[in-house]
Amino acid sequence: EDQVTQSPEALRLQEGESSSLNCSYTVSGLRGLFWYRQDPGKGPEFLFTLYSAGEEKEKERLKATLTKKESFLHITAPKPEDSATYLCAVQANAGGTSYGKLTFGQGTILTVHP
Amino acid sequence: GAVVSQHPSRVICKSGTSVKIECRSLDFQATTMFWYRQFPKQSLMLMATSNEGSKATYEQGVEKDKFLINHASLTLSTLTVTSAHPEDSSFYICSARVLYLGSEGADTQYFGPGTRLTVL
Repeated sequence: EDQVTQSPEALRLQEGESSSLNCSYTVSGLRGLFWYRQDPGKGPEFLFTLYSAGEEKEKERLKATLTKKESFLHITAPKPEDSATYLCAVQANAGGTSYGKLTFGQGTILTVHP
Repeated sequence: GAVVSQHPSRVICKSGTSVKIECRSLDFQATTMFWYRQFPKQSLMLMATSNEGSKATYEQGVEKDKFLINHASLTLSTLTVTSAHPEDSSFYICSARVLYLGSEGADTQYFGPGTRLTVL
C-alpha cells in the first residue's frame, strides 16, 4: 500500500525565515510526486511534479527536491501570503481503472508571521 | 493553464434529499476525473475515479449506491449524493487529469474549488 507522511504537521515562521517541509513516501514504483498548496475552504493548487531522484524544480520562493525516499519543499524568505497547507502526493506506476490516482499526505500547515 | 470549476460551491439541504455536484474542465478535455472528500483539518480522501463513457471505480468503503458518479462527456463529471444524511456533510473536491500540459509536466491532476455540503 502506498503511503505518504509529511512533517512537521504545523510550522510557524517569521517573515524572511527560510525552512523546509518534508514528505516521506513508500510506493510500488513512483510515477510522480506532486506538491500542492491549499488555502482554507479552497481546492488544492498545483505547484510541482517531480519524477526521478535528483530532480529539482523552483517557483518563486519555493523549491522542491526529490530523493528515492523523500521530497523536500524549501521555502526561501517566506512572506505572509505563503501561509497555507502544503500537500504532498504520490502517483504509482499502477494499471487498472484507477490508473493515475494520487495518495496524499496529511499536509503541513504553514503560518508566516509578518 | 488547466481550469476546473465546481457547482455549486456551497449547498445546504435537508436530510433525505439528493444533491448533485458538477465538475467541469473549462479549457481542456479530461477523460479521467477524480472525486475526493475532505473533513476539517484532514487530508483529501479519494472516493472514486470517473472515466468518460464507463462506470466509475470506487475506493474501498465508499458506497456506490450512495455516491452516484456520471462522466457523460469529456468536460463534465457529476457526483450525486443520494438520500443525504448529516454524516455526509463534508467538503467535496473534484480533480481532472491532464496527461500533458506544456512545461508543467505529464499526468497531473488539477483541482476544482470544492463544494461545501451541509445536511441538516
